[in-house]
Amino acid sequence: KAGVTQTPRYLIKTRGQQVTLSCSPISGHRSVSWYQQTPGQGLQFLFEYFSETQRNKGNFPGRFSGRQFSNSRSEMNVSTLELGDSALYLCASSFTGTEGPGNTIYFGEGSWLTVV
Amino acid sequence: GQNIDQPTEMTATEGAIVQINCTYQTSGFNGLFWYQQHAGEAPTFLSYNVLDGLEEKGRFSSFLSRSKGYSYLLLKELQMKDSASYLCAVRGDNYGQNFVFGPGTRLSVLP
Repeated sequence: KAGVTQTPRYLIKTRGQQVTLSCSPISGHRSVSWYQQTPGQGLQFLFEYFSETQRNKGNFPGRFSGRQFSNSRSEMNVSTLELGDSALYLCASSFTGTEGPGNTIYFGEGSWLTVV
Repeated sequence: GQNIDQPTEMTATEGAIVQINCTYQTSGFNGLFWYQQHAGEAPTFLSYNVLDGLEEKGRFSSFLSRSKGYSYLLLKELQMKDSASYLCAVRGDNYGQNFVFGPGTRLSVLP
């Protein structure tokens, strides 16, 4: 079956602009989470959506937001971009997020964002 | 607070065995995961532990001690393709995929 699909794969933005990234989860998965990965901070949790509702949120400023649609596809948005937002943004999906080994998360290839 | 520690880098020889340690302090515990990430690629799932003990999966094994907040990933018969970063992650909540990731251990396998 198809994996987690993220678009676009690479993009360059200017400081102050905003960006929207898209994620299509594995078919049947209802939980979608977003992570930021940088060389200095590693993988950091942004937020998780389940059934169109934000269920968990990490410690990122309000400039980072997201949403999930009825087909489980998700988007994240970063407004007023800063140089420090340059990172790999990873989307991950899982079935429901409840207990059990079957709820491993599967990552997409990521979107490489460069802010200049 | 949430804190996960792993060694930053390790080097091993092809065919050898290497153990990558992970210690964690989290506000809750609902499973510990190991992921492999090759440079420029997405992390891929390796193993999952929620109970104490050893989980074996081919050349890879993972161990967990919840009382000690400790896990390790054991890689046997190392191959060049095992050169990658290995990420330890803890799921702290009962609901949701709110994972806390360690900094990752960059493993270099030498011929």
